[in-house]
Amino acid sequence: EVQLVESGGGLVKPGGSLRLSCAASGSTFTSYSMNWVRQAPGKGLEWVSSISSSSSYIYYADSMKGRFTISRDNAKNSLYLQMNSLRAEDTAVYYCARDSMVRGVIVYWGQGTLVTVSS
Amino acid sequence: NFMLTQPHSVSESPGKTVTISCTRSSGSIGSNYVQWYQQRPGSAPTTVIYEDNQRPSGVPDRFSGSIDSSSNSASLTISGLKTEDEADYYCQSSDSSNGVFGGGTKLTVL
Repeated sequence: EVQLVESGGGLVKPGGSLRLSCAASGSTFTSYSMNWVRQAPGKGLEWVSSISSSSSYIYYADSMKGRFTISRDNAKNSLYLQMNSLRAEDTAVYYCARDSMVRGVIVYWGQGTLVTVSS
Repeated sequence: NFMLTQPHSVSESPGKTVTISCTRSSGSIGSNYVQWYQQRPGSAPTTVIYEDNQRPSGVPDRFSGSIDSSSNSASLTISGLKTEDEADYYCQSSDSSNGVFGGGTKLTVL
């Protein structure tokens, strides 16, 4: 059974930084592209970033470019999201999500971690 | 980038069939796979349809997906509605680089 467990969320002041982690188990982590998806309170899902299995291809939503950095450590079966220059509008639940063998096709989701940006 | 447009809400009675649409604004709906996610209140999303019409293991065959090139849209159909199907449903696709989500449809089973 595939399990994705996020951690690292919390309360941070505007302009601050936070690093999210996602621990994967139950499948061959190195074979799949991974994503971060977020959901602001009461809003819909928003794709944040994705990274290919070998980290060769990395993509970001326009509003996150230059502030967020996605990375992975295949030896540790882990996915990360470094978030800098955080704004109030970045307040959301952040989900880790795994693709199928096809990039861009999300099949598995974590339970999410809440990030609150507030002074 | 393209957009995916869904109805804000739909409602239907238990035992009936409901279809939720997802219309792509530009480019062909068939160019990239479409997925559908179910999100119950207070829970993380789960995948009910991937690659246009594939069901993950554990998803009942009451859920089905299709695409229609003539209307440039995808559809999620749920038959034999149960009260437990009441949730938000999101469609999703990708272009060459970015993921795109529809705005979500609230399904009420009453």
